[in-house]
Amino acid sequence: ETGVTQTPRHLVMGMTNKKSLKCEQHLGHNAMYWYKQSAKKPLELMFVYNFKEQTENNSVPSRFSPECPNSSHLFLHLHTLQPEDSALYLCASSHTDSANYGYTFGSGTRLTVV
Amino acid sequence: GQQLNQSPQSMFIQEGEDVSMNCTSSSIFNTWLWYKQDPGEGPVLLIALYKAGELTSNGRLTAQFGITRKDSFLNISASIPSDVGIYFCAGQLAGGGADGLTFGKGTHLIIQP
Repeated sequence: ETGVTQTPRHLVMGMTNKKSLKCEQHLGHNAMYWYKQSAKKPLELMFVYNFKEQTENNSVPSRFSPECPNSSHLFLHLHTLQPEDSALYLCASSHTDSANYGYTFGSGTRLTVV
Repeated sequence: GQQLNQSPQSMFIQEGEDVSMNCTSSSIFNTWLWYKQDPGEGPVLLIALYKAGELTSNGRLTAQFGITRKDSFLNISASIPSDVGIYFCAGQLAGGGADGLTFGKGTHLIIQP
């Protein structure tokens, strides 16, 4: 248990489906992040939320829609995805006003788009 | 955007050997972090470095923040089977705030008994 919980762990969806990924942290962190991890590529930052406000959208296609209702929960809504969107999606959280910049990651959701 | 060049891409070593990997960048970073990712899991923080020249150890792991602030290395001494995984370097430019980390592509460590 890392303190950041992601559900589901695995997801297979068709290109016309709509699904959501969920991330939850109870570490008292005030920043949350979505990263995409594809094979043979670096971790790609997708979205950043700081005190529930989105502070960064890293040129992510609109078929990915984040939602942060409070500092403990983060969602990634998916619709009309493409096969190249298949990847491991990682959620992370951190303090933004602390000298410790270490992010705590969840175990990820392995997404397969068919 | 900032690029982190991590090498080697993969390492095949014998149990008991020492391991060394590094990251370089054309940009200056204020923080260097080293993470390890086990199969099916998210990355876990191993060592965090905050000052140029800083040398920090965590058990058999040692990492250093380069003087130029553009590089860092991670050493693992006397490797054991549970060291297998992917090691990522990461850097953060901002002195604070949620700007997101820049990650290297990772070093795959494979240990042969």
